[in-house]
Amino acid sequence: EAEVAQSPRYKITEKSQAVAFWCDPISGHATLYWYRQILGQGPELLVQFQDESVVDDSQLPKDRFSAERLKGVDSTLKIQPAELGDSAMYLCASSLVPAPDTQYFGPGTRLTVL
Amino acid sequence: DAKTTQPTSMDCAEGRAANLPCNHSTISGNEYVYWYRQIHSQGPQYIIHGLKNNETNEMASLIITEDRKSSTLILPHATLRDTAVYYCIVFYRDDKIIFGKGTRLHILP
Repeated sequence: EAEVAQSPRYKITEKSQAVAFWCDPISGHATLYWYRQILGQGPELLVQFQDESVVDDSQLPKDRFSAERLKGVDSTLKIQPAELGDSAMYLCASSLVPAPDTQYFGPGTRLTVL
Repeated sequence: DAKTTQPTSMDCAEGRAANLPCNHSTISGNEYVYWYRQIHSQGPQYIIHGLKNNETNEMASLIITEDRKSSTLILPHATLRDTAVYYCIVFYRDDKIIFGKGTRLHILP
């Protein structure tokens, strides 16, 4: 069964450093999502792509976060500079078409900022 | 804010049916009810969804009340592997998914 791939699975960094996360969606899935999940809470949408275009980035802290999906396939989420409050799980998901189709989630990247 | 209300946690004995309630009193006519679950340290996993009619698949059943203001996810024979956080979500078309805090289900041996 096809899966969403994410790397790294774990990342420890110091505040003010730059970090980047990578996501490879299920082949053929045009819609890609990045979520942030703080411990004890549900995932929160940061950015949604349709092919290479951003559809929704209203919750993305644009002063430090950036996301790209240059060829409409894999995607990178970057934080620069990282802050202590950025410690969280970062989840990538993809779907064949935008909601209400089902989203398939990757295993996530656990970020710890020291 | 999430459009649903769920109990914070629930317990269920292994082998029994787990019934997880969800209140969505402000749901509109074209919004679907989706259920996901998240096992510890994994990404959320889709379970089932419905609009008006009750639905069943290999994982669970979804019972939606006639007025659509609430629903129940039923895991017919819960196992220890069903221990997870269960999220009830309502959305339509271009809405963004809002997960809320979900229900933490503990399956007891």
